Amino acid sequence: DTEVTQTPKHLVMGMTNKKSLKCEQHMGHRAMYWYKQKAKKPPELMFVYSYEKLSINESVPSRFSPECPNSSLLNLHLHALQPEDSALYLCASSLSIQEVSYNEQFFGPGTRLTVL
Amino acid sequence: AQKITQTQPGMFVQEKEAVTLDCTYDTSDPSYGLFWYKQPSSGEMIFLIYQGSYDQQNATEGRYSLNFQKARKSANLVISASQLGDSAMYFCAMREGQGGKLIFGQGTELSVKP
Repeated sequence: DTEVTQTPKHLVMGMTNKKSLKCEQHMGHRAMYWYKQKAKKPPELMFVYSYEKLSINESVPSRFSPECPNSSLLNLHLHALQPEDSALYLCASSLSIQEVSYNEQFFGPGTRLTVL
Repeated sequence: AQKITQTQPGMFVQEKEAVTLDCTYDTSDPSYGLFWYKQPSSGEMIFLIYQGSYDQQNATEGRYSLNFQKARKSANLVISASQLGDSAMYFCAMREGQGGKLIFGQGTELSVKP
């Protein structure tokens, strides 16, 4: 199974809502990532988890709260978002954060988020 | 300073022809990895090919090959025998050392004409 799954595919939320994005992989990967991508732009790294511990937080606003309950699951909790947070949110996983050959990141299909 | 540069915002290629997508990078780390990803309009990032900084040979994966010129700091993607399904956004990315962080270029939008 070389798949990263993300739910939901689409999400529309108001600025006062609380919602969560979910990401799952069953490849035995120990590193998981959240990226934000605006239209026609490259993905921007938000968070990196390594062995279920937060390894990198790219100065992301606290209205985004990541969680890694186990090695297969990664959540992104959303609260009090702004319209400018509307984007495609991509999850990825890799063997580890170590630099080894073919340690490519496998991406999920993404969640298209619209904040009204 | 931009670490990954893709100078071609958009490109057209005729079906069945070969096309080269340019990527240059900048790093002082002797150990790094270079990746190419394809992103169709559906949004999913699809891994295509990888080149490590210490790899002696250019990477190849099916119709994809990476023209790695270390001294010039370039890692161009060559797609042979283009297909209509190759129409997508293509991103070059670099990983420096440890930490797992990928830095992406701005992307090249490739359109394959029938």
